[in-house]
Amino acid sequence: EDQVTQSPEALRLQEGESSSLNCSYTVSGLRGLFWYRQDPGKGPEFLFTLYSAGEEKEKERLKATLTKKESFLHITAPKPEDSATYLCAVQGHTGGFKTIFGAGTRLFVKA
Amino acid sequence: NAGVTQTPKFRVLKTGQSMTLLCAQDMNHEYMYWYRQDPGMGLRLIHYSVGEGTTAKGEVPDGYNVSRLKKQNFLLGLESAAPSQTSVYFCASRPGTGNGYTFGSGTRLTVV
Repeated sequence: EDQVTQSPEALRLQEGESSSLNCSYTVSGLRGLFWYRQDPGKGPEFLFTLYSAGEEKEKERLKATLTKKESFLHITAPKPEDSATYLCAVQGHTGGFKTIFGAGTRLFVKA
Repeated sequence: NAGVTQTPKFRVLKTGQSMTLLCAQDMNHEYMYWYRQDPGMGLRLIHYSVGEGTTAKGEVPDGYNVSRLKKQNFLLGLESAAPSQTSVYFCASRPGTGNGYTFGSGTRLTVV
């Protein structure tokens, strides 16, 4: 059964303090791993898709990496506006190509 | 702006009442989805559609029905609302498998 586990559940950082969020997954043939950002009261916003181990994607202060078992979302020198919940999701080649979401990591960045 | 529009944004229902949530997208996407989001449980798939006229069950379909009569619209129905259906409902679409979703802004439903 496809599964996604995110850690930590919550992360509190000072502005400028770099860190990483973890997404561990099990899937029957990875079709894609996705990262989303969700602000309170809003729908998730798509950030990245990673397709194969070794792939990396960057956007401003965010960098996503992928191995065969996990993905990391690295946040470099975060700012208060980076505070949000970050969701990881995977899609496998079985199960009708459905996407399974993790519970998310709530990130708080203090000025 | 192009995207996914959900109506209504908020709704309070009494147990046993029925309602329909509307999702509309203007990006010509083939795939559309309904998820519910509950604290600590992440997003769970209710029903989905891979094209006009098609629907399929997701992870938690009981108590819900859907229809996709037009490519741009995906309707989620609750025939007899129960307190366990209190949640935030998100509609999403994407052009094909392997692509990221575009989500709507959500419908916050409370069943009392």
